[in-house]
Amino acid sequence: KQEVTQIPAALSVPEGENLVLNCSFTDSAIYNLQWFRQDPGKGLTSLLLIQSSQREQTSGRLNASLDKSSGRSTLYIAASQPGDSATYLCAVISGANNLFFGTGTRLTVIP
Amino acid sequence: ETGVTQSPTHLIKTRGQQVTLRCSSQSGHNTVSWYQQALGQGPQFIFQYYREEENGRGNFPPRFSGLQFPNYSSELNVNALELDDSALYLCASSLPNLNADTQYFGPGTRLTVL
Repeated sequence: KQEVTQIPAALSVPEGENLVLNCSFTDSAIYNLQWFRQDPGKGLTSLLLIQSSQREQTSGRLNASLDKSSGRSTLYIAASQPGDSATYLCAVISGANNLFFGTGTRLTVIP
Repeated sequence: ETGVTQSPTHLIKTRGQQVTLRCSSQSGHNTVSWYQQALGQGPQFIFQYYREEENGRGNFPPRFSGLQFPNYSSELNVNALELDDSALYLCASSLPNLNADTQYFGPGTRLTVL
């Protein structure tokens, strides 16, 4: 059974700092990996999707990498802003057409 | 293009009652998935519907059931509510090929079971 782990569970950084969020998964036979953002009590917003054949995706200040063989992904956020404060979830699709989620990293960016 | 909508926003029920949650898919999407997110946890897959048929199910008991309608909207029904059913329920719509496309999530329904 696929298991997804995210480290750290919570992170607090000063505004302007670059940061890395980590995600690991146990079954490397994935179709794709996605990073989502969730604001408190809200739904999920997709940030980046990496296909299994890709190694990274970039969108603005966000860069996500994927190393399928080692079961790891990172989300890099450059020049963090207070508006980046949210919970970040990674999820993989393997086998059936459903997402397996990690428990998330709660990010706080301090002005 | 309209996004995914869910109703109601919040709901309070008592143990043993039944509840129905509703979801309208993003325009053009014929696949709907439902997830349960307990406080402090990541979402857990409940089931998926494609063209009105169940197309995969997670580790949830039969008292969790669903429907999808010809217009691709969907319902999640939970019978005999338990305290542990308190959670944020998310639906997500997509095209069938999840290998290539993302799922688009609604804002969720917050269910509290007393």
